Amino acid sequence: AQSVSQHNHHVILSEAASLELGCNYSYGGTVNLFWYVQYPGQHLQLLLKYFSGDPLVKGIKGFEAEFIKSKFSFNLRKPSVQWSDTAEYFCAVNAWTNAGKSTFGDGTTLTVKP
Amino acid sequence: DTGVSQDPRHKITKRGQNVTFRCDPISEHNRLYWYRQTLGQGPEFLTYFQNEAQLEKSRLLSDRFSAERPKGSFSTLEIQRTEQGDSAMYLCASSLKTGYEQYFGPGTRLTVT
Repeated sequence: AQSVSQHNHHVILSEAASLELGCNYSYGGTVNLFWYVQYPGQHLQLLLKYFSGDPLVKGIKGFEAEFIKSKFSFNLRKPSVQWSDTAEYFCAVNAWTNAGKSTFGDGTTLTVKP
Repeated sequence: DTGVSQDPRHKITKRGQNVTFRCDPISEHNRLYWYRQTLGQGPEFLTYFQNEAQLEKSRLLSDRFSAERPKGSFSTLEIQRTEQGDSAMYLCASSLKTGYEQYFGPGTRLTVT
């Protein structure tokens, strides 16, 4: 069975600070990895994804994530956050052998102070 | 709007009643997924369809839950004899068969009193 762990439940940053949100997954096979974001009052939307190839992937709004296979990690980063990045962030994984079922972490709430 | 839509957006029901939710996926998407989300947790997989075939159901999905996608387009999720523990946000998502990123709808918030 696959599982996802997000270490930070709530992160508070000031504008222009750098961001790193941790995500570790548990699964023995090949996986697809995702970060989704949910802005206040909006529905979940894809931020970035990793299927294969370059382990450093870039997403929308200046976000990037690095897949480190040996650490089973897929951490999300942004060099300089903005107030508009205030949202809840979810890491998700699905297995190549069963791409239907995605397993999500419990999310990290990011609050950016202006 | 060509995104995933869900109806209703909110539902309040009394314990023991049946409820049905509808999801309309993005039109060209073959796959449709249902998730449940409670406060402080991420979406929890319930079931998914490829076209009209229901390919997987979570073990968490009790016999009171049933989902259909009769013509491979919209889907319904029915909960029979609702319990207070069923109170949650029910999310629908869709994707192309060959691509694995899922597009989510706004959800239906169920409150069981």
